[in-house]
Amino acid sequence: GNSVTQMEGPVTLSEEAFLTINCTYTATGYPSLFWYVQYPGEGLQLLLKATKADDKGSNKGFEATYRKETTSFHLEKGSVQVSDSAVYFCALSEASNTGKLIFGQGTTLQVKP
Amino acid sequence: GAGVSQSPSNKVTEKGKDVELRCDPISGHTALYWYRQRLGQGLEFLIYFQGNSAPDKSGLPSDRFSAERTGESVSTLTIQRTQQEDSAVYLCASSQRPGPYEQYFGPGTRLTVT
Repeated sequence: GNSVTQMEGPVTLSEEAFLTINCTYTATGYPSLFWYVQYPGEGLQLLLKATKADDKGSNKGFEATYRKETTSFHLEKGSVQVSDSAVYFCALSEASNTGKLIFGQGTTLQVKP
Repeated sequence: GAGVSQSPSNKVTEKGKDVELRCDPISGHTALYWYRQRLGQGLEFLIYFQGNSAPDKSGLPSDRFSAERTGESVSTLTIQRTQQEDSAVYLCASSQRPGPYEQYFGPGTRLTVT
């Protein structure tokens, strides 16, 4: 079946460091890919998405590129801030018209000043 | 405008009791999803509703779980004869339409079965 695997956390970085959170997927067809974020005390919210191969999603300085050849959707940010501390979830939406999401297990990011 | 709301925010129940969780989606959103998040794990899909179409129940873990939605409004998730392994945060999300579109999540209901 379809699945998403994320790098295990927690990831601890100093402010202004470069961030990469790895995400790989297994899916039939052509899924859409998402990163959702959950800030402390808040609900889950969409960070960025890509719907086809080679698309790059971007938001708030974060980027991820849909790589079909490596079945990956790694999240990157050039310079993290303390306010980026959160739990990040990679997810795919199956190539059907329901939109139901399959999530990775989440990666906790802690950024220290 | 108002986001997705869920009630109760917390529920503690004894093993064997039934519980009912409620979700109010964003007005006008036709697609509604329920997910479960166990401690330290990712979200698991439970069930999906789209308008008056038959729901996709493929994620429900057992026949103790059921859900209803009337049209494009409120949804309730019912767990009968709760077990300790049902302890989790239950999240509801809605979307303007089905497909690869943004889902808006509620704050969740934290269920603890003692």
